[in-house]
Amino acid sequence: EPEVTQTPSHQVTQMGQEVILRCVPISNHLYFYWYRQILGQKVEFLVSFYNNEISEKSEIFDDQFSVERPDGSNFTLKIRSTKLEDSAMYFCASSELRQGVGDTQYFGPGTRLTVL
Amino acid sequence: AQKVTQAQTEISVVEKEDVTLDCVYETRDTTYYLFWYKQPPSGELVFLIRRNSFDEQNEISGRYSWNFQKSTSSFNFTITASQVVDSAVYFCALSILTGGGNKLTFGTGTQLKVEL
Repeated sequence: EPEVTQTPSHQVTQMGQEVILRCVPISNHLYFYWYRQILGQKVEFLVSFYNNEISEKSEIFDDQFSVERPDGSNFTLKIRSTKLEDSAMYFCASSELRQGVGDTQYFGPGTRLTVL
Repeated sequence: AQKVTQAQTEISVVEKEDVTLDCVYETRDTTYYLFWYKQPPSGELVFLIRRNSFDEQNEISGRYSWNFQKSTSSFNFTITASQVVDSAVYFCALSILTGGGNKLTFGTGTQLKVEL
């Protein structure tokens, strides 16, 4: 069964450093998403991406964040200068283009980012 | 704005008991989708079910059943004859058409502990 994959599973970085989180969405999916979950809290939407551009972003997704689809398979989230409060689990998700509403999003296993 | 409320933060049951997880949502849109996701201790988010706002037919799938009631804006989830492997955090989520993608708005989750 196709699944979303994410690497690395755990990333430790120093405050102020840049990190890139990688995701490989399900191959026939066209919508891609990033969410984050601070430990013990709910899952929060960061950004959605379609047709090589951001379709929606939350207020969390400020200028420190960027997303890219560098090739036909990978989808990346970059944090330019990490802060302590960026420590969280980051989930990638993808969905098919079907009707545009309520397409089921399938999530990757997550990358736990720890900023020291 | 959309909102999902899961008032139960933690539920503990003994194996084989039935348990219902509550979810109440708020949206002004008439077209929307509701989801339940499961997050086991390993951390991944596993899709369980999707319902659209025009389909109030309740569903049973094995030990799982869902009760969608638009009149009370509720989408409750019941596990029959619970098992230890059902121990996880369960998230209810809502999506609407936003003009680009369909971001999920999650509730705060209900931690279910099933004990022997």
